[in-house]
Amino acid sequence: AQSVAQPEDQVNVAEGNPLTVKCTYSVSGNPYLFWYVQYPNRGLQFLLKYITGDNLVKGSYGFEAEFNKSQTSFHLKKPSALVSDSALYFCAALNTGGFKTIFGAGTRLFVKA
Amino acid sequence: DADVTQTPRNRITKTGKRIMLECSQTKGHDRMYWYRQDPGLGLRLIYYSFDVKDINKGEISDGYSVSRQAQAKFSLSLESAIPNQTALYFCATSDPDRGLVDEQFFGPGTRLTVL
Repeated sequence: AQSVAQPEDQVNVAEGNPLTVKCTYSVSGNPYLFWYVQYPNRGLQFLLKYITGDNLVKGSYGFEAEFNKSQTSFHLKKPSALVSDSALYFCAALNTGGFKTIFGAGTRLFVKA
Repeated sequence: DADVTQTPRNRITKTGKRIMLECSQTKGHDRMYWYRQDPGLGLRLIYYSFDVKDINKGEISDGYSVSRQAQAKFSLSLESAIPNQTALYFCATSDPDRGLVDEQFFGPGTRLTVL
């Protein structure tokens, strides 16, 4: 079965420190990969996506993600965390030619001032 | 995303009641989706529709039905609600033909509680 794994339920980081939220996938072919963020009482918002090309993808709010094909990973990163980055983050994958996006379980990020 | 709206935002109902959740979008997208979110499980796809005449079951469609009344409207019904359908429900849209590679746009969600 195809799946997306986010191994950490929660990530804690101090404001100003770099953050990483991990994601690995098991999806056939060369999937498109996404990160979404969910703030309280809001729907998911698109952050960034990887389709092809450069393994480092830049997105909204200073976030970036690193694609690693050999490790089937797509980790979300930010050089300097802000308290306002505290939210629930979802990794997702769509296999090329497919119709359904597969979401991970989500990782809650806490950034402490 | 204000372009995708859901009503109601919150609903408490009793076991056995019929419930309809509504979704409207002004983005002009053809594809629409219904997901449910449960803690620790992420989002699971209930139904999806690629146009008014095309409706497909997702991974957890049992106990649910949908209606695509127009390109802009996609409703989810629980024919006879049960407590394990208590969850946060999201509607989403996408339009890959516009070069967005299936990036999805989500509504604000409906929190449903079945007692």
